[in-house]
Amino acid sequence: DTEVTQTPKHLVMGMTNKKSLKCEQHMGHRAMYWYKQKAKKPPELMFVYSYEKLSINESVPSRFSPECPNSSLLNLHLHALQPEDSALYLCASSRSGQGVNEKLFFGSGTQLSVL
Amino acid sequence: QQQVKQSPQSLIVQKGGISIINCAYENTAFDYFPWYQQFPGKGPALLIAIRPDVSEKKEGRFTISFNKSAKQFSLHIMDSQPGDSATYFCAASRDSGGGADGLTFGKGTHLIIQP
Repeated sequence: DTEVTQTPKHLVMGMTNKKSLKCEQHMGHRAMYWYKQKAKKPPELMFVYSYEKLSINESVPSRFSPECPNSSLLNLHLHALQPEDSALYLCASSRSGQGVNEKLFFGSGTQLSVL
Repeated sequence: QQQVKQSPQSLIVQKGGISIINCAYENTAFDYFPWYQQFPGKGPALLIAIRPDVSEKKEGRFTISFNKSAKQFSLHIMDSQPGDSATYFCAASRDSGGGADGLTFGKGTHLIIQP
């Protein structure tokens, strides 16, 4: 199984809503990532978890809250988002994230629209 | 500051032709240079990658050429096919010696292969 599974595939939410994006992998990877991708733009790194610990937070606003409950799961909790937060949110994983340049496996993403 | 510059922004190639996409980087600490392919509605997928200790790497119809002194690398797609139509991102990362840094992406090239 070389898949990274993201749910939901599409999400529409109001600015006062609270929602969560979910990501799951069963490849035994110990590094997991959240990226944000606007239309016709490259992915931008948001968060990195290595061995279930947050190792990188790229100055992301606090309305985005990541969580890594175990080595297979990664969540992104959303609260009080703005319309400009509408984007494709991509989850990725890699084997260890221990400073060794590794292949990132990306999920298909959650297309988020904030109204 | 854009650390990886990619060109062209869009490219149209006839079926059977050679597609060439170029990237240049600024950070000499980068030591891993992957290319990702992204189809609409999907996450990026690793196509081919190179480290700076080699000048060329070939996998099937895809070749990376790397020029360390010029801090440039390029992707060549030989015998381009309509199924190669996608957005291509070059990227770079560095061994941070203790944690996953994720990738710095170029802005992407929208490639169209005309039948």
